[in-house]
Amino acid sequence: GQQVMQIPQYQHVQEGEDFTTYCNSSTTLSNIQWYKQRPGGHPVFLIQLVKSGEVKKQKRLTFQFGEAKKNSSLHITATQTTDVGTYFCAGPPQTGANNLFFGTGTRLTVIP
Amino acid sequence: EAEVAQSPRYKITEKSQAVAFWCDPISGHATLYWYRQILGQGPELLVQFQDESVVDDSQLPKDRFSAERLKGVDSTLKIQPAELGDSAMYLCASSPGGTGNTIYFGEGSWLTVV
Repeated sequence: GQQVMQIPQYQHVQEGEDFTTYCNSSTTLSNIQWYKQRPGGHPVFLIQLVKSGEVKKQKRLTFQFGEAKKNSSLHITATQTTDVGTYFCAGPPQTGANNLFFGTGTRLTVIP
Repeated sequence: EAEVAQSPRYKITEKSQAVAFWCDPISGHATLYWYRQILGQGPELLVQFQDESVVDDSQLPKDRFSAERLKGVDSTLKIQPAELGDSAMYLCASSPGGTGNTIYFGEGSWLTVV
């Protein structure tokens, strides 16, 4: 079955340092979505990438979709304490599906 | 901003008891999902509705779990009997429907089975 792995599983950074999480799917994805879940909270949609090689930016966050549409990355520049949480990538389990299969997540801790 | 409403937020129940969760999706959203999230893991789909019809319930443990969306609006997820391993957060989500639509999650219902 489909697998979506994220690395690292955990990351501790000093405030101001950069952070990157990588997402790798066992299958080609028609699109990939990223969600952020604060401790004790629920997943909140961040962005969707659709095109091969696509790069999107949201302030200090940069999202990239791989050329083969099997991997993606999220990079945060100059982390802040508000960035704390778990970041999940997610994609449709098969082409045409409108549900999401979530990755294993990367839990980010920012040390002030 | 429209939100997915869920209740209760927290539920503690004894094993072998019945428990139910309710969800009201964003108005106009045809697709409704129930996900289960075990602490430290990503959400896993339990059941997906398109209007009142079940689209995917392949991961729903049907011997003890049931879900319905009778009028194609709000939905109920029931567990009977609850087992210790059911302790998790149950997330309801909705989307307008169609491929590639964003999925919006509710705040979740935390279940502890003792």
